[in-house]
Amino acid sequence: SSELTQDPAVSVALGQTVRITCQGDSLRSYYASWYQQKPGQAPVLVIYGKNNRPSGIPDRFSGSSSGNTASLTITGAQAEDEADYYCNSRDSSGNPVFGGGTKLTVL
Amino acid sequence: EVQLVQSGAEVKKPGESLKISCKGSGYSFTSYWIGWVRQMPGKGLEWMGIIYPGDSDTRYSPSFQGQVTISADKSISTAYLQWSSLKASDTAMYYCARLVVTGSSTSFDPWGQGTLVTVSS
Repeated sequence: SSELTQDPAVSVALGQTVRITCQGDSLRSYYASWYQQKPGQAPVLVIYGKNNRPSGIPDRFSGSSSGNTASLTITGAQAEDEADYYCNSRDSSGNPVFGGGTKLTVL
Repeated sequence: EVQLVQSGAEVKKPGESLKISCKGSGYSFTSYWIGWVRQMPGKGLEWMGIIYPGDSDTRYSPSFQGQVTISADKSISTAYLQWSSLKASDTAMYYCARLVVTGSSTSFDPWGQGTLVTVSS
């Protein structure tokens, strides 16, 4: 079982804002990073650290954290944002751990 | 450009051995951990283990300890994941990724393209 918990599925209307959450005790000490994975493709880092986007990631993606919950927000979701999203941080031993993933549907 | 390129798809029989590779380029290979991640068909990402090519320090997820071996050859900037005796349940996509650790932030970037391993009799 994962030490990071995500909702299995979330939906958003085209152009609206959606928040994807990740819960875990380790998030009180470590930032989460977020990955987007489209069918048949490798995961891609979209958010890391406090709220940093790698080069090439649109600014509609943002990250935040409060207590034991990290959030990925997509402001103005686009059809191409439909994908699986995974959070990642460290577990109680300091080793990497992934959340179970959230399937985002853009309606 | 920082890049990880993995070896090609494999089809094996139960009981066979296998070693897949991940070659890094565009950065100092010995200065970053490399991680291996499993994704079974239709499932999520599972961290298997990490290796620091600079000194071959290796850490395994408890779920994979004893099941696989992670190694690296820093002279050719390549990390490896190997099995001594494959099982049908090892059928999955396997990704390598560079682990970037800065203070309280841990992230995998970039990722290799993945190696599909199919184990079937």
